[in-house]
Amino acid sequence: KAGVTQTPRYLIKTRGQQVTLSCSPISGHRSVSWYQQTPGQGLQFLFEYFSETQRNKGNFPGRFSGRQFSNSRSEMNVSTLELGDSALYLCASSLEGEAGNTIYFGEGSWLTVV
Amino acid sequence: AQSVTQLDSHVSVSEGTPVLLRCNYSSSYSPSLFWYVQHPNKGLQLLLKYTSAATLVKGINGFEAEFKKSETSFHLTKPSAHRSDAAEYFCVGSHHSPYSGAGSYQLTFGKGTKLSVIP
Repeated sequence: KAGVTQTPRYLIKTRGQQVTLSCSPISGHRSVSWYQQTPGQGLQFLFEYFSETQRNKGNFPGRFSGRQFSNSRSEMNVSTLELGDSALYLCASSLEGEAGNTIYFGEGSWLTVV
Repeated sequence: AQSVTQLDSHVSVSEGTPVLLRCNYSSSYSPSLFWYVQHPNKGLQLLLKYTSAATLVKGINGFEAEFKKSETSFHLTKPSAHRSDAAEYFCVGSHHSPYSGAGSYQLTFGKGTKLSVIP
């Protein structure tokens, strides 16, 4: 069974640009969540989607958005990039998105903003 | 509110000696708890998971953790460290999100413990 797949793995963007990251969950998993990891702030929750609906959102500005498609694949978008958005963005999937479900992480997308 | 505290930001052990990575949690209800490992430039890999079925949980690569409710702890141990264990380890709590609809969960991450293994 394939794991959580994230694309692209590495990308460099310029301040003010926007970026879209993609995540394919494990087959059959309906919940997808996104996290930002930085050396200073650690791992922070961005948002969670289940059956194409955003159920939960972390404390990030509106420049960060996401969506989930009917096949459970998800994308997150960051508009008007800032230097501080440089981070590893991790996607995770779980079967039903309930507390106690095992959460599986992808390898992440490394974003560098210059 | 739930919080997860990893008591050591960095632990250094010699190869072949025991590993102890400490994690305390606070929660107003029984949490689900996980340990994940992150190798450089990689995502998080699940080591083990506690969901109240058994207090001693065995994971992959010889790791295990014991849930102690009286101490609100979920420490990760391994009898003998191997150089390939050098990585960062995260203790993570999962609980139902009170701010969202039925079924939604929220993860709380510890700040991570970097394990160094000295040959």
